[in-house]
Amino acid sequence: SYELTQPPSVSVSPGQTARITCSADALPKGHGYWYQQKPGQAPVLVIYKDTERPSEIPDRFSGSRSGTTVALTISGVQAEDEADYYCQSADSGGVYRIFGGGTRLTVL
Amino acid sequence: EVRLEESGGGLVQPGGSLRLSCAASGFTFSSYPMNWVRQAPGKGLEWLVYISWGSVTISYADSVKGRFTVSRDNAKNSLYLDMDSLRAEDTAVYYCARETSENWVYYFDYWGQGALVTVSS
Repeated sequence: SYELTQPPSVSVSPGQTARITCSADALPKGHGYWYQQKPGQAPVLVIYKDTERPSEIPDRFSGSRSGTTVALTISGVQAEDEADYYCQSADSGGVYRIFGGGTRLTVL
Repeated sequence: EVRLEESGGGLVQPGGSLRLSCAASGFTFSSYPMNWVRQAPGKGLEWLVYISWGSVTISYADSVKGRFTVSRDNAKNSLYLDMDSLRAEDTAVYYCARETSENWVYYFDYWGQGALVTVSS
C-alpha cells in the first residue's frame, strides 16, 4: 500500500493563488484526482487525470503533476473556495483507491 | 440529471449489523463501477470498497474486509453495503460514489449526499 500526503492547511488572501500539493511515497501508475468538500456537503470533483477540469468547475482551478507529486492550484482565490480539498489516486493495479488526508483552505 | 441517494443509516449497537442502500437515477447504472466512501466525524475521506459494473471485481479496504459486503442489483439501479460486526470507529457518514467508466482511470464523478451511521450503546 502507499500513502498520499497533503499539507493539513493552506491560507491565502482573496485574489491570491493557492497551491495544494499531494505527494505519493511510491510511484503510482494512475493519475491524481482532486475533490472539494464544503461543510455538510458531499465532495465534488474539481480535477481529474492530473490536469483535466470538469466543465462546471471554474477555470481558476487547475492541476499539475511532477513525478510523484500532483498539485491543485487555485488562481484568484475567492471566499467561496474556502473548503477542504482531497487528492485521490489508485494503486498500480487499479484495485484500491486511496485519499490523501485532506487540506483545509482558509481564505483570509 | 445523475442522482445517488443513500438510505438505511441510523444508530446501531456495537457488534450489530446494518444495510445501506444507494438508489441511482439519471444514468445507465449497469454501465458504471461504484464505490462506498466514508467520513468519520471531523476526519478525512476513507475509501471502503469498489464493485465493477457486473459485480465481477470487488475490492475492499483492509479496515472493512471480512465485515462489510458490497452488492448491486442492476435491475433495480441499486447499490448496497451490508455492514456486520460494527464498531464505534465505523461511525461515519457513508457515501456512495459513481466511478468513471473510462478504462485505467479511477475517479468518482458523482456522489450521494451521504448516510450517517452511528455505532454506540
